[in-house]
Amino acid sequence: GAVVSQHPSWVICKSGTSVKIECRSLDFQATTMFWYRQFPKQSLMLMATSNEGSKATYEQGVEKDKFLINHASLTLSTLTVTSAHPEDSSFYICSARWTGRVYTDTQYFGPGTRLTVL
Amino acid sequence: SQQGEEDPQALSIQEGENATMNCSYKTSINNLQWYRQNSGRGLVHLILIRSNEREKHSGRLRVTLDTSKKSSSLLITASRAADTASYFCATDRNYQLIWGAGTKLIIKP
Repeated sequence: GAVVSQHPSWVICKSGTSVKIECRSLDFQATTMFWYRQFPKQSLMLMATSNEGSKATYEQGVEKDKFLINHASLTLSTLTVTSAHPEDSSFYICSARWTGRVYTDTQYFGPGTRLTVL
Repeated sequence: SQQGEEDPQALSIQEGENATMNCSYKTSINNLQWYRQNSGRGLVHLILIRSNEREKHSGRLRVTLDTSKKSSSLLITASRAADTASYFCATDRNYQLIWGAGTKLIIKP
């Protein structure tokens, strides 16, 4: 089946630093990738939709200058949390939609990245 | 943004019993999907039901969809301790998933 990986699995950083999270589709091409954040015991909140080769579409309330998304290739999207603060601490999850006929409806999720900002 | 609401918020049952979770949504959808998430882990896709389908089965899972009521249910039969997890419904509208708040299911051995 389609596999999506995220790197790193977890990261602890100091306030004010920037953190980059990678999302890769390992065995399929993903024209669209999605970035979510999830606070403890809460549901997923869509942050942005990333299309390969174009600018990401951000959801209302998500700061595009703070959460930089780059979808440089059909297998890689990156989320950079710039000047991270403790309130950015969260579980960040990416997903990818396969463009193949059979799996068009399904998004495949990465295992998530836990970010803790001290 | 979230449009789905799930109930109950939490459910605790004995192993072997059936567990039913419900999900309601607000707008038209292409399909509805159910996922499970173990504590602090990633999401596992369980089942997808399209808007023109009313019921779908996968192993011990049974999903129903009532588009007139904008609701869906997930039934897990003969529950096992390993089914303990949070379960989320997500509605797909033009390939964007909108998530419910989730139901935390605890199966007591």
